[in-house]
Amino acid sequence: GESVGLHLPTLSVQEGDNSIINCAYSNSASDYFIWYKQESGKGPQFIIDIRSNMDKRQGQRVTVLLNKTVKHLSLQIAATQPGDSAVYFCAENYGGSQGNLIFGKGTKLSVKP
Amino acid sequence: DAGVTQSPTHLIKTRGQQVTLRCSPKSGHDTVSWYQQALGQGPQFIFQYYEEEERQRGNFPDRFSGHQFPNYSSELNVNALLLGDSALYLCASSLPSGYGYTFGSGTRLTVV
Repeated sequence: GESVGLHLPTLSVQEGDNSIINCAYSNSASDYFIWYKQESGKGPQFIIDIRSNMDKRQGQRVTVLLNKTVKHLSLQIAATQPGDSAVYFCAENYGGSQGNLIFGKGTKLSVKP
Repeated sequence: DAGVTQSPTHLIKTRGQQVTLRCSPKSGHDTVSWYQQALGQGPQFIFQYYEEEERQRGNFPDRFSGHQFPNYSSELNVNALLLGDSALYLCASSLPSGYGYTFGSGTRLTVV
């Protein structure tokens, strides 16, 4: 079935380095994508989103890139900090903007001081 | 401005029992969705409520049911609990446009 998957289940980086978390999606009809950060014991926290009519979107220290040709999504975190340590999920939305979100399994980011 | 609030935060139930989880959406949001997150997995969509009706449903059995009230708050009910129902249950609310998904902190359900 349709699913969202992540290339790397774990990622360990040094504080101050840039982090890149990748995600593959399989539904070409998906039109909205969201990155979430989830800390232990908490619900997913919105980081950044992107619509399918865009290739790139930037936020504070984060950038999301969307490559529709290969159905690939990435999250770049600049100057990674210990507080960025968490599990990161990408989610896709198809069936319109009011549809449900399909999540991947997540990537655990560990930041070493 | 309060975000999405869920209650209770933790719950322990016995196999075969029934449970009700509650969610209050973020102010200005009228759509509520429920997700189940097993340990080490991503959230799985259960169903979505809009205008007090179930609008979409994921691949979950009829033991999972819900309700949305006129004030947009929502309940998730699970009957005949199984050990496999143990999970973090997340509620998310969104804007009338459908964007702005915001999650609550979840209810940790343990079935023994």
